Amino acid sequence: EDKVVQSPLSLVVHEGDTVTLNCSYEVTNFRSLLWYKQEKKAPTFLFMLTSSGIEKKSGRLSSILDKKELFSILNITATQTGDSAIYLCATTTYSGNTGKLIFGQGTTLQVKP
Amino acid sequence: NAGVMQNPRHLVRRRGQEARLRCSPVKGHSHVYWYRQLPEEGLKFMVYLQKENIIDESGMPKERFSAEFPKEGPSILRIQQVVRGDSAAYFCASRGLDRVYGYTFGSGTRLTVV
Repeated sequence: EDKVVQSPLSLVVHEGDTVTLNCSYEVTNFRSLLWYKQEKKAPTFLFMLTSSGIEKKSGRLSSILDKKELFSILNITATQTGDSAIYLCATTTYSGNTGKLIFGQGTTLQVKP
Repeated sequence: NAGVMQNPRHLVRRRGQEARLRCSPVKGHSHVYWYRQLPEEGLKFMVYLQKENIIDESGMPKERFSAEFPKEGPSILRIQQVVRGDSAAYFCASRGLDRVYGYTFGSGTRLTVV
């Protein structure tokens, strides 16, 4: 069965800290890995990764994929209280070609002032 | 473009009642997905529909749950005879032809069964 596991499940830091969120996966016919940020509403898209070793960056957030070791990390530098959210990792596969997402449990990040 | 609209935002049902959750996709999107998020868990795929067709329902419980996406109108997720374990947030997502970047999530319906 396809599986995505995130760690840690929750994290509390102070503003200005740097955090690293982890996502490991075991899926058949892996296609891509995606990161989403979920505040109180809809998950919003952050990154999509398909190739190993190529860092994607957006402001203070960056992410990289390792297809050999089957994991990805999401880094947030100089955290702010507005970064407090649930961060979701998901994969897509070529199986069935449906485009459905397989999510991990999420990491709840709380950034204290 | 109003994005994916889900309603109601909150729904309270007594055990044994029916729950109907609605999802209006982004205009022009013909692919709809339903996901369920239980407390302390990530989103779990339930069903994938295209207009008038169920494409993949491998994540749907075998009983009491059904989904449709008619030619006209919103997609409906229907839960009959709700039980406390159905309490969760239900998210809908829609997309056009792009299977990855084209995904847009709705804000979810939080179902509470009392």
